[in-house]
Amino acid sequence: DGGITQSPKYLFRKEGQNVTLSCEQNLNHDAMYWYRQDPGQGLRLIYYSQIVNDFQKGDIAEGYSVSREKKESFPLTVTSAQKNPTAFYLCASSVRDESYTFGSGTRLTVV
Amino acid sequence: QQQVKQSPQSLIVQKGGISIINCAYENTAFDYFPWYQQFPGKGPALLIAIRPDVSEKKEGRFTISFNKSAKQFSLHIMDSQPGDSATYFCAASMVIQKLVFGQGTRLTINP
Repeated sequence: DGGITQSPKYLFRKEGQNVTLSCEQNLNHDAMYWYRQDPGQGLRLIYYSQIVNDFQKGDIAEGYSVSREKKESFPLTVTSAQKNPTAFYLCASSVRDESYTFGSGTRLTVV
Repeated sequence: QQQVKQSPQSLIVQKGGISIINCAYENTAFDYFPWYQQFPGKGPALLIAIRPDVSEKKEGRFTISFNKSAKQFSLHIMDSQPGDSATYFCAASMVIQKLVFGQGTRLTINP
C-alpha cells in the first residue's frame, strides 16, 4: 500500500544534540513538507520541497535543516540551535495542488 | 493575506447534534479548500474538500458550505457521534502552491 512512513515514532534528544527524523514516501509525490505541531496549536511549516535537490524555508525554519537527495525521502534534522524542539513533527507529501497525505508523526522530547 | 482563520478553537456538542466549524480567508486566489481530521497521536487525514465553483459538497454526514463572496467556508457534521471527537483543520491553497492551514478546532462529542 502507498503511504508515508515516519520514523521513529518517539525520539528523545539530549541538550545540545542533533537528531534526524526520517520521512519516506512511496506515493511518487513530487512535493514533501515538514510541519511542527505543539499542543493546542495548528500546523506550522518548517521546510518544504517541490522537486529533488531543491527545498525552501517555511515559517519556522530556524534550528532545522533538510535534504532532498531522492524523490522518496525528505529527512529533517533538528539541530542544537533549535531551543525548544519538544513537539510533534509531521511529514506530508502531495502531487501538484492535490491534497496532502500525512505520515503518523514523530514525537520528539528533550531530556 | 495568506492566513486562514478558523473558529471556534474548541467545541463541545451532544451526540446526535450538528457540529459547525468556520473558516475565513483573505486571498481570493485560493481555489482549493480541504478539511482534515486528526486523532490524538496521528497525522491529519483528508476528510472532504471543495473547489469554489460549487457552494456545497456533501459526503455522508460531512458537508462543506462555501461562500465565495464572503470568503468563508464551513464544515458541518450532522448527527455527530463520539467517534467524531478529534481536531479538525481547514486549509486553502492556490494551484501548485502549499496549503495554508487554520489553527484547528478541538471537537468533543458528549455521549
